[in-house]
Amino acid sequence: EAGVTQFPSHSVIEKGQTVTLRCDPISGHDNLYWYRRVMGKEIKFLLHFVKESKQDESGMPNNRFLAERTGGTYSTLKVQPAELEDSGVYFCASSQGAGGSTAKNIQYFGAGTRLSVL
Amino acid sequence: GNSVTQMEGPVTLSEEAFLTINCTYTATGYPSLFWYVQYPGEGLQLLLKATKADDKGSNKGFEATYRKETTSFHLEKGSVQVSDSAVYFCALSDLDNQGGKLIFGQGTELSVKP
Repeated sequence: EAGVTQFPSHSVIEKGQTVTLRCDPISGHDNLYWYRRVMGKEIKFLLHFVKESKQDESGMPNNRFLAERTGGTYSTLKVQPAELEDSGVYFCASSQGAGGSTAKNIQYFGAGTRLSVL
Repeated sequence: GNSVTQMEGPVTLSEEAFLTINCTYTATGYPSLFWYVQYPGEGLQLLLKATKADDKGSNKGFEATYRKETTSFHLEKGSVQVSDSAVYFCALSDLDNQGGKLIFGQGTELSVKP
């Protein structure tokens, strides 16, 4: 079974440019999460999809970030325009259910996309 | 709000040394607690978990006990190997959030030398 895959693994862009990150969750997982780790600090929640609907986007830093999950399969996270402080590692995770620690609610993570804004 | 605090790294140990990575949390209620590990070039992997007070999670020789009285979930291993070199993250599930988002500590980098 394929795990969570993220593309690209690394992206280097200039300030002001646009970048789109992609996440393919594990097949059959309705729940998809985006997280970010900036400058070696804690991993912070960005948002949560249930199928194609945004369940919680309380962690999105500002309106330069746009996440979509059309059709409830893969998700994209677009940053437009990118700023220096957006640099970090963006993680995607998926799970069958949500909340707690039962087996079907465990979140499985991708390897992350390292974004460098110069 | 809910939060997780981990001991700062990096931690450098010799092979077969004893490992402790401290983790304390602040939360309302009794969240589930997790340790995730990120090996170089890979994604976060669930290492172990505990769902209630006094539960002990264990995997690959690592252990952590859910201590309600000290709000802690310290990670331990009796004898580390070079292959344990990775970044370790302590996390809790946010009970205030129906969607089950995780709240992480800042991560502790472990380097094990032969």
